[in-house]
Amino acid sequence: GAVVSQHPSWVICKSGTSVKIECRSLDFQATTMFWYRQFPKQSLMLMATSNEGSKATYEQGVEKDKFLINHASLTLSTLTVTSAHPEDSSFYICSARKLTYEQYFGPGTRLTVT
Amino acid sequence: DAKTTQPNSMESNEEEPVHLPCNHSTISGTDYIHWYRQLPSQGPEYVIHGLTSNVNNRMASLAIAEDRKSSTLILHRATLRDAAVYYCIRNNYGQNFVFGPGTRLSVLP
Repeated sequence: GAVVSQHPSWVICKSGTSVKIECRSLDFQATTMFWYRQFPKQSLMLMATSNEGSKATYEQGVEKDKFLINHASLTLSTLTVTSAHPEDSSFYICSARKLTYEQYFGPGTRLTVT
Repeated sequence: DAKTTQPNSMESNEEEPVHLPCNHSTISGTDYIHWYRQLPSQGPEYVIHGLTSNVNNRMASLAIAEDRKSSTLILHRATLRDAAVYYCIRNNYGQNFVFGPGTRLSVLP
């Protein structure tokens, strides 16, 4: 199978601080990873597309200076929420795409900003 | 724009088959049809995908209409663990997935 992990699974942080979320493809290499955000009772919204070794491509309305994405290797992408505010509280989900095109999702990270 | 339409919710009885419809009337010839499901507080789980022909795997079957404007995900025997939101996604190779609201499936014991 294809497994994608995220760490941490949940995090609580204070307003104004930064938090980093890791996404790893455990048994395959992923040249492309995606970051989604999901608010309660809503569907997943794509935030950005991350390609290994290059800058991420952000969707319209997503602040690239606030949501820093680094795709340092073929198995790891990180999302850093900088200067977090309560409205950033959400469920963050990453996915990784195989070279054969299938996409696999991580278990998600629940962020609560107090 | 999710480019697919699905019923908001469906109900099924346990151990009965479930047919989840999806309309993708503007599908292009090279668009794949993907199905994922999401349990509460979890990431989406891959279910099945196809292009033109019907597909079967251990989880489900995918029936694609001859004109490809619609498809149906078939769970042959629903269990309580199948209760989830099911997303039907169409996209071309290399494109991003666009999630619609999906179908919330409830399974009654």
